[in-house]
Amino acid sequence: TQLLEQSPQFLSIQEGENLTVYCNSSSVFSSLQWYRQEPGEGPVLLVTVVTGGEVKKLKRLTFQFGDARKDSSLHITAAQPGDTGLYLCAVRYGNKLVFGAGTILRVKS
Amino acid sequence: NAGVMQNPRHLVRRRGQEARLRCSPMKGHSHVYWYRQLPEEGLKFMVYLQKENIIDESGMPKERFSAEFPKEGPSILRIQQVVRGDSAAYFCASSGGGSTEAFFGQGTRLTVV
Repeated sequence: TQLLEQSPQFLSIQEGENLTVYCNSSSVFSSLQWYRQEPGEGPVLLVTVVTGGEVKKLKRLTFQFGDARKDSSLHITAAQPGDTGLYLCAVRYGNKLVFGAGTILRVKS
Repeated sequence: NAGVMQNPRHLVRRRGQEARLRCSPMKGHSHVYWYRQLPEEGLKFMVYLQKENIIDESGMPKERFSAEFPKEGPSILRIQQVVRGDSAAYFCASSGGGSTEAFFGQGTRLTVV
């Protein structure tokens, strides 16, 4: 069983549409991170959320940490082709930084 | 992630050869993680090291794989007697002591032929 479950696994949308991807767990975490990975590149840290209920915005991206700190969502407004990539959530679990399996987002122009 | 340097970017090895992957962490970072990734999949934890110490190697295969992070120089992930199933992208990430945030290199894509 995965520590972090991400959904959907794959999302293909048209430019201009809105979307939300999710990261869920049955465990409680002190913080959670979101990364984006483009093909052929390493993951890039987008945001860290630490407080239950916290909302952070990064341009058209809105990140929310669940009240119970077990889950998180990433909402993208008016998606653009440049948003295409693999979106990964990650948490510190013991000594490890553990990642979910990711959501592959493809934005078509 | 610009500060984490991995080399080589691409590595081709024949079955049975050794693969040596290098990672120089961001300046000031003393913690290094190694991950393995298959196409369009998430990152699988392999090992977590601090300078001169292996902290957690629970994700590393028991045979043929080893990792080190010496006092001086880069961290090295070594794969001996490579097999086709070792073909993957290997990423390293670094973090500062006590930080939960990790910064990744661009990865080494290993192809075993």
